[in-house]
Amino acid sequence: AQKVTQAQTEISVVEKEDVTLDCVYETRDTTYYLFWYKQPPSGELVFLIRRNSFDEQNEISGRYSWNFQKSTSSFNFTITASQVVDSAVYFCALNQGGKLIFGQGTELSVKP
Amino acid sequence: GAVVSQHPSWVICKSGTSVKIECRSLDFQATTMFWYRQFPKQSLMLMATSNEGSKATYEQGVEKDKFLINHASLTLSTLTVTSAHPEDSSFYICSAAQDFLSNQPQHFGDGTRLSIL
Repeated sequence: AQKVTQAQTEISVVEKEDVTLDCVYETRDTTYYLFWYKQPPSGELVFLIRRNSFDEQNEISGRYSWNFQKSTSSFNFTITASQVVDSAVYFCALNQGGKLIFGQGTELSVKP
Repeated sequence: GAVVSQHPSWVICKSGTSVKIECRSLDFQATTMFWYRQFPKQSLMLMATSNEGSKATYEQGVEKDKFLINHASLTLSTLTVTSAHPEDSSFYICSAAQDFLSNQPQHFGDGTRLSIL
């Protein structure tokens, strides 16, 4: 069965701290895609990154970085020097035949 | 970037009313659109997959007669919540994909908050 687990329900940090959001997935497919989305309090979903199963290179985009480890079925997301504007719910998702299976989400609260 | 517009942003109505939510892809043709429901503090749950010109595919447990989906064109899909009741109150969000099979990122609308009194 396809499944995405985000074990951290809520994380609270102080501004400028680094924070890592965990994502573990299960799939029997050899080719698959993983995503991270951000959902701020206003509710819209903002696409952050897509990673395919053949590309295990870590990616950095500004203060954001992603660590994809196929061996442990993990796709973790790190925010460096967090800011108050990073406060949101972050979802990890797995693409199953075009459908997105979302994890439970991690609510990140960054306090000034 | 790709833009998906969802309307209305919020709806408050009486029990028994039918409510229509529109999802439009503004700058690309979406062969496939998806409808999700999200309860407070919970994840997004896929309700149905809508393909242009054909019947929607509903996920297990979703009542197709309750949640009517129409995808009449490559830029518009609608979700109608028929005879809505308080338990239908939720955040409904649509997404659109240019190519269902290419695993391109889905682009999401801003969502509709539905409150049934």
